[in-house]
Amino acid sequence: EVQLVESGGGLVQPGGSLKLSCAASGFIFSGSGIHWVRQASGIGLEWVGRIRSRANSYATAYAASLKGRFTISRDDSKNTAYLQMNGLKTEDTAVYYCTRFNYDSTGYFDFWGQGTLVTVSS
Amino acid sequence: QSVLTQPPSVSGAPGQRVTISCTGGSSNIGARYDVHWYQQFPGTAPKLLIYGNTNRPSGVPDRFSGSKSGTSASLAITGLQAEDEADYYCQSYDSSLTAWVFGGGTKLTVL
Repeated sequence: EVQLVESGGGLVQPGGSLKLSCAASGFIFSGSGIHWVRQASGIGLEWVGRIRSRANSYATAYAASLKGRFTISRDDSKNTAYLQMNGLKTEDTAVYYCTRFNYDSTGYFDFWGQGTLVTVSS
Repeated sequence: QSVLTQPPSVSGAPGQRVTISCTGGSSNIGARYDVHWYQQFPGTAPKLLIYGNTNRPSGVPDRFSGSKSGTSASLAITGLQAEDEADYYCQSYDSSLTAWVFGGGTKLTVL
């Protein structure tokens, strides 16, 4: 059974940093792309960024709106992906989901974690 | 403002058929990027409902179907049931933004 479990969310002050983790099981993590998607309360889904597999040079890409504040990484030996968030703003407050990317078609998110809440507030 | 446009809400009585539209442009749906649909219940993570415009993952009832034409796509739900009440999101890829994009979501209410 495919499972993705996020952790690391919490309350952080504006300008602060936070690192989220996404622990995966039930599939070949090292061969999979992982994307992060966020959802502010009562708002829709917003793509954050992605990291490809080692075979694809661990290539990363991010939403332009983040302007270099977020970094995605992975440790295949631990079946875990990470989202490092720096210079956090109140508008970054959201539930953050990690997702497994399916390269069929033109790409979609076939499995999602339960999400972890990040609250940016003073 | 989402790149893909969905109606904020739709409603229907049990047993009826409802459709949810998803309108994009020439750099996403119109550029032949596929459309995918997700279902989300309050307080839970989204779940894949339709992929590749028309395909249902294992376990999704055939009451749910998708279609795509030009710069738009649609999700149809037939034989509406109370358990279908949820938020629905479309998703595609945008080549101008070089980003994966979502619709703003549609809240389905079963009357």
